[in-house]
Amino acid sequence: DIQMTQSPSSVSASIGDRVTITCRASQGIGSWLAWYQQKPGKAPELLIYAASGLQSGVPSRFSGSGSGTDFTLTISSLQPEDFATYFCQQANSFPLTFGGGTKVEIK
Amino acid sequence: QVQLVQSGAEVKKPGASVKVSCKTSGYTFTSYYIHWVRQAPGQGLEWMGRINPSGSSTSYAQKFQGRVTMTRDTSTSTVYMELSSLRSEDTAVYYCARTAVTNWFDPWGQGTLVTVSS
Repeated sequence: DIQMTQSPSSVSASIGDRVTITCRASQGIGSWLAWYQQKPGKAPELLIYAASGLQSGVPSRFSGSGSGTDFTLTISSLQPEDFATYFCQQANSFPLTFGGGTKVEIK
Repeated sequence: QVQLVQSGAEVKKPGASVKVSCKTSGYTFTSYYIHWVRQAPGQGLEWMGRINPSGSSTSYAQKFQGRVTMTRDTSTSTVYMELSSLRSEDTAVYYCARTAVTNWFDPWGQGTLVTVSS
């Protein structure tokens, strides 16, 4: 199975800050990576697909990059509605696997 | 719009089975896969398996092989996930989610809390 390791597990940031979350795969997955946002008590929502594709309706302050084993999700200017937990997911092979999550908290 | 609506919360005793439904609408049911992902309280996301509503083929995570069964009813555009021999560690929110062949989950159902307790 492909292991997905996210860091940090939590980050404290202020409105307007730039936030970067990383995800590392235990083996190369090309660009087969997605990012999701999850708010408390809600289902995850797709933000980024194919490592850098912005899902329709997602604000442009979200961006993704990377390929192979190392990936990054960046929020360019943190907004109040962005405080949530973020997960990466590899879509390269079964079983599909997720990172452990990064909780973005208010500083 | 595309919607996945799941059945309500369940409380089960250890050793019992649970069957959760996921009713889809807003798209051609047989053109997309439906997956099941669970999330234990305060924990991360765990993929359980998927079903192809066109033809009913399934693929399960090894961890759940022999305990999970995914089925579909094309007349109601509904997918079912049954998990048997429940134990306390199966207490979680169970989500259904749609994918194309690219395996990006979008959208997700609202989730169904399954509590296993004696």
